[in-house]
Order: sequence, then C-alpha cells, then structure tokens
Amino acid sequence: EPEVTQTPSHQVTQMGQEVILRCVPISNHLYFYWYRQILGQKVEFLVSFYNNEISEKSEIFDDQFSVERPDGSNFTLKIRSTKLEDSAMYFCASSDLVFTNSYEQYFGPGTRLTVT
Amino acid sequence: DAKTTQPNSMESNEEEPVHLPCNHSTISGTDYIHWYRQLPSQGPEYVIHGLTSNVNNRMASLAIAEDRKSSTLILHRATLRDAAVYYCILTRDDKIIFGKGTRLHILP
Repeated sequence: EPEVTQTPSHQVTQMGQEVILRCVPISNHLYFYWYRQILGQKVEFLVSFYNNEISEKSEIFDDQFSVERPDGSNFTLKIRSTKLEDSAMYFCASSDLVFTNSYEQYFGPGTRLTVT
Repeated sequence: DAKTTQPNSMESNEEEPVHLPCNHSTISGTDYIHWYRQLPSQGPEYVIHGLTSNVNNRMASLAIAEDRKSSTLILHRATLRDAAVYYCILTRDDKIIFGKGTRLHILP
C-alpha cells in the first residue's frame, strides 16, 4: 500500500537555526499539506499546497515558514530561524487528484523537531 | 469552521462493538463528516467519511442521523490495536481542523 514518508524522524536544532523537513507524498497525489502537533496538544493545520503554490495557510504559518516542491517527488517545509516554541511533531499529508472535501488525506509518520 | 462535540474518553472491552458519538448541530449542507484516528506516537489515519447516508468500510461503519446533527462511528469488534484518539471532523474545504477527539481505551 502506498504511503507518505518523512525524513528525518527526529531533528534536534539550536534556536535561530534553519531546518528543512522533508516529505515524499504518495506518487499520484496533487494536494499536499503540513500539520504540526505540540506535545499533548491538538493537531494544527499549517498550510496546503497545490499546483506549485500555497492554496491556504493558517496564522501559525508566518514569514519564518516556507514550503517547496523542489522536484516531482519531494515536498519540504523550511523554518528559517527556529524558536523554542517550534518544537513539535510535524506531519505531512497528501490527498488524491481532486480534493473536494470528501477525499481522505494520507498522513506521514511525522518528524519530531526539538529546538534547544 | 463548524464545531463538533465528542466525549473526552471512552472505554470498551476487547472484541466488543464500540459506538463513538459525535454531535455537530451547526453542520451545513455541504459539510462532509470525516473520522480520523491517531494511534499512539503515529500520524493521523483516515477511518471513514460520509455526507448523508450511512457508510461501511473495512475499518468501521458510520451512522449519520437523519437531520445530520449527529453521527456515530461504529467499530464492530474492538481490538487492542484500536486504542487511539478518534476525531470527528466536518470538512468544507481541503484543510482538516482537528479537535481534541475521544480517547478510546480498550480493556483486554
């Protein structure tokens, strides 16, 4: 069964450093998402991406965050200057050809980001 | 985004059916009802979705009230592996807004 993969599984970084979290969505999917979950809290939507551009973003997704699909398979989330409060589990998700609010999203296993 | 209300936690015995309720009294005509679950230390996982009619798949069944103001996720025979947080979500566009969900405990 096809699955979303994410690397690394755990990233430790110092405050102020840049990090790039990588995702490989399911191959025929065209809609891509990032979510995050701070320990013990709800899963929060960050951004959705379609046709090489952001389709929607939340208030959390400020100028420190960016997303990119650098080639035909990877989807990345970059945090330019990490803060302590960016420590969380980051989940990538993808969905099928046309997401019309009835198609399921497939989530990856997550990257745990620890900012020290 | 339309709000859903779920119990914080529920318990069930292994190999028995589980009915997880969800209230969504402000649902609009175009909202789909989705259920996801999150097993410990894993990403969310799609379970089932529906619009008006009851739905069945290999994982679960979804019973939707006639007025669509509530729904019930049914796990026909719970196993220890079904212990997770279950999220009932109304979707109007392609982002998922997760609530706190129901933490389901399965007793052996």
